[in-house]
Amino acid sequence: AQTVTQSQPEMSVQEAETVTLSCTYDTSESDYYLFWYKQPPSRQMILVIRQEAYKQQNATENRFSVNFQKAAKSFSLKISDSQLGDAAMYFCAYRSSGGTSYGKLTFGQGTILTVHP
Amino acid sequence: DAGVIQSPRHEVTEMGQEVTLRCKPISGHDYLFWYRQTMMRGLELLIYFNNNVPIDDSGMPEDRFSAKMPNASFSTLKIQPSEPRDSAVYFCASSFYRGLGGYTFGSGTRLTVV
Repeated sequence: AQTVTQSQPEMSVQEAETVTLSCTYDTSESDYYLFWYKQPPSRQMILVIRQEAYKQQNATENRFSVNFQKAAKSFSLKISDSQLGDAAMYFCAYRSSGGTSYGKLTFGQGTILTVHP
Repeated sequence: DAGVIQSPRHEVTEMGQEVTLRCKPISGHDYLFWYRQTMMRGLELLIYFNNNVPIDDSGMPEDRFSAKMPNASFSTLKIQPSEPRDSAVYFCASSFYRGLGGYTFGSGTRLTVV
């Protein structure tokens, strides 16, 4: 079974600075999807960014980018120019692209990000 | 599209009562998922459906929990009888089969069993 590990329970950053959230995963599959979700205090789960494992190019969405290291099974999220609205719980997630586990989204434990003005 | 719609948003019930949580997925999505979120266990997948058929219910904690999807636009998660340890936020999410399929989540139902 796939597992996802976020080793940083909490992180903090100053407004306008850059922060990186870590995520590692364990899988025997060669093709899969990776995601970062944001959960603000409203508890709504919001998709931030996604990456296909067969693509070597790192995904970017405005101020959010990832560093995908397939061999190391690492998928970190970088937030540039942090804003107060970025404060939330961030979840890393893994999804199989086929097989019996297709469709299941496995989440890490989450990282609480605090943004200081 | 209005997104994934869950009801109720909050539910407070007494131990032993039956609780029914409802979900309307996004039209055209063929996967539907029920997750539970607690501080201790994080986000747990309870059950998921593909084309209204349950595919994996191994996450359902015990027989008190049941889920149905009678059609493509509606699903329920029922707890009978409810217990205080069932208190959690329950999320419904839907997804399309093909492509870079992230989920779309509903706003969740916060269940409190007293």
